[in-house]
Amino acid sequence: DAGVIQSPRHEVTEMGQEVTLRCKPISGHDYLFWYRQTMMRGLELLIYFNNNVPIDDSGMPEDRFSAKMPNASFSTLKIQPSEPRDSAVYFCASSLAGTGADTQYFGPGTRLTVL
Amino acid sequence: AQRVTQPEKLLSVFKGAPVELKCNYSYSGSPELFWYVQYSRQRLQLLLRHISRESIKGFTADLNKGETSFHLKKPFAQEEDSAMYYCALLNYGGATNKLIFGTGTLLAVQP
Repeated sequence: DAGVIQSPRHEVTEMGQEVTLRCKPISGHDYLFWYRQTMMRGLELLIYFNNNVPIDDSGMPEDRFSAKMPNASFSTLKIQPSEPRDSAVYFCASSLAGTGADTQYFGPGTRLTVL
Repeated sequence: AQRVTQPEKLLSVFKGAPVELKCNYSYSGSPELFWYVQYSRQRLQLLLRHISRESIKGFTADLNKGETSFHLKKPFAQEEDSAMYYCALLNYGGATNKLIFGTGTLLAVQP
């Protein structure tokens, strides 16, 4: 298994543009998590899904952020419109039911730069 | 409120010196704590969990409920230990179980 797959690995865009980040979890995993990593705030949970259903989106910063999981093998995180303060590394992670949220397998991350 | 605090953003030590990465937590229930590590150009991965009481790559971490701490220790640092380390707390919240991460500590082991 290739592990959690994220695309793109790097994204540079201009303020006001729409950005879509993609994630493919490990096959068979029931949970999917989206995180944002910054120097100042560390690793913050944005939202997570269980069996494709959003369970907790309390970490989503504002309405400009949205996430979907149309099926068990794909999720997107969208920012519209993007702002320079959204610049960060965005991680996707997945885990198996039974282990709950503790053992998470992370993707390589998407480094987003908003100019 | 549930919280994980890692007071040091950067810890620099020499090879062979002891290492202690500090982690303090705030949690009303019985805590489950973890250390995650991210080596350069690699993915963030689980290093160890307190319930296993394990030693991984020479690292250990003891849960001290009195001091609400879960410091990560290694007696003799190696250059390959240089990485970003995150302490994390498993937050049970009814229908939602999630990890709360600290802000991370960058460990730099000098030759």
